[in-house]
Amino acid sequence: NAGVMQNPRHLVRRRGQEARLRCSPMKGHSHVYWYRQLPEEGLKFMVYLQKENIIDESGMPKERFSAEFPKEGPSILRIQQVVRGDSAAYFCASSPTSGGGHEQFFGPGTRLTVL
Amino acid sequence: AQSVTQLDSHVSVSEGTPVLLRCNYSSSYSPSLFWYVQHPNKGLQLLLKYTSAATLVKGINGFEAEFKKSETSFHLTKPSAHMSDAAEYFCVVSDRRTYKYIFGTGTRLKVLA
Repeated sequence: NAGVMQNPRHLVRRRGQEARLRCSPMKGHSHVYWYRQLPEEGLKFMVYLQKENIIDESGMPKERFSAEFPKEGPSILRIQQVVRGDSAAYFCASSPTSGGGHEQFFGPGTRLTVL
Repeated sequence: AQSVTQLDSHVSVSEGTPVLLRCNYSSSYSPSLFWYVQHPNKGLQLLLKYTSAATLVKGINGFEAEFKKSETSFHLTKPSAHMSDAAEYFCVVSDRRTYKYIFGTGTRLKVLA
């Protein structure tokens, strides 16, 4: 059973460009979470999605950031008009069920660098 | 509200000596607690988790942690450090009502030869 897949692993963008990060959850998992890790910090929750639904986006900036998890295909985290402060590692996790106490399985992350 | 405090940002030990990484938590409800390890430029790997069963939890690679409700602590230990243990360690709290993981700021473990 393949783990959580993320691509690209590294992404370089210039200020003002768009960044598109992809996450394929583990087989059988319908719950996806995105986290951001700034340098020298822990991970911070951004958004929680189920298929075709955003359940909680309270950790995601209101502007320029969006996320989706379509019926078919990977979950996408999209950052428009990137700025230097968006440089970070973005991790996706998935779980088979929701609710506290359930293990989330993490992907290897996408490291975004904004020049 | 939930929070996690990792008391040490950096810990250095000699190979073969014990490891202690400290974590205190705050949670209004019965918490679930996790320790994850992150090697450089890699993803996170679960070491162990506490979900209200036995208070002493054994994980992978010889790590274990003890849930102490009275002290609101969940410290990670290992009897004998190995060079391959050098990594960043994150303590995480979640509760039964929510799916959000609240991460500590991490402890960087250095193992000296």
